[in-house]
Amino acid sequence: AQTVTQSQPEMSVQEAETVTLSCTYDTSESDYYLFWYKQPPSRQMILVIRQEAYKQQNATENRFSVNFQKAAKSFSLKISDSQLGDAAMYFCAFLRSNSGYALNFGKGTSLLVTP
Amino acid sequence: SQTIHQWPATLVQPVGSPLSLECTVEGTSNPNLYWYRQAAGRGLQLLFYSVGIGQISSEVPQNLSASRPQDRQFILSSKKLLLSDSGFYLCAWSSTGGYADTQYFGPGTRLTVL
Repeated sequence: AQTVTQSQPEMSVQEAETVTLSCTYDTSESDYYLFWYKQPPSRQMILVIRQEAYKQQNATENRFSVNFQKAAKSFSLKISDSQLGDAAMYFCAFLRSNSGYALNFGKGTSLLVTP
Repeated sequence: SQTIHQWPATLVQPVGSPLSLECTVEGTSNPNLYWYRQAAGRGLQLLFYSVGIGQISSEVPQNLSASRPQDRQFILSSKKLLLSDSGFYLCAWSSTGGYADTQYFGPGTRLTVL
């Protein structure tokens, strides 16, 4: 089974500081995709960043970057220079190879950003 | 550009009543379509997915059903709602399916069954 685990139900960061959200996954596949989605209070899921497993280089998108450790099956998200608008639920997700390439989601991490 | 719509945004229904939630995608053709449910305090659970018109696959057996009458329209239905059907329903699309595709989500429907 392809499972996704987010061990931090809640995290807090001060504005302008850096925070790292953890995610581990389990799969027997060698090629796959991983994603981080953000869900603000509006509850719409917004793509933050994605990583292709065959690429060794960690993905970056402006202030967001990942630390992808394939052997350890770890996929953490780093948010630099945190802003108040970053406050949201963050979900780690794994793209399945079955079920029409649907996503398996972790349970999420609630990020609080304090002034 | 592509956009995805869902309606209604909010719905309050009594137990035993029928349900119809609609999702439409604009700006693309032959998308893969997905229905997810998010219960309170939980992650997202895949309910149905569709790789083409009339092709529906169910992930979890329940009293819900889905249909795809048109290429870019995906409908979630129920004949009789249960209390446990309450939650936030999200529709998503991806362009072709496969490892390379990112899923994009609609704004969601908040369903409360009383």
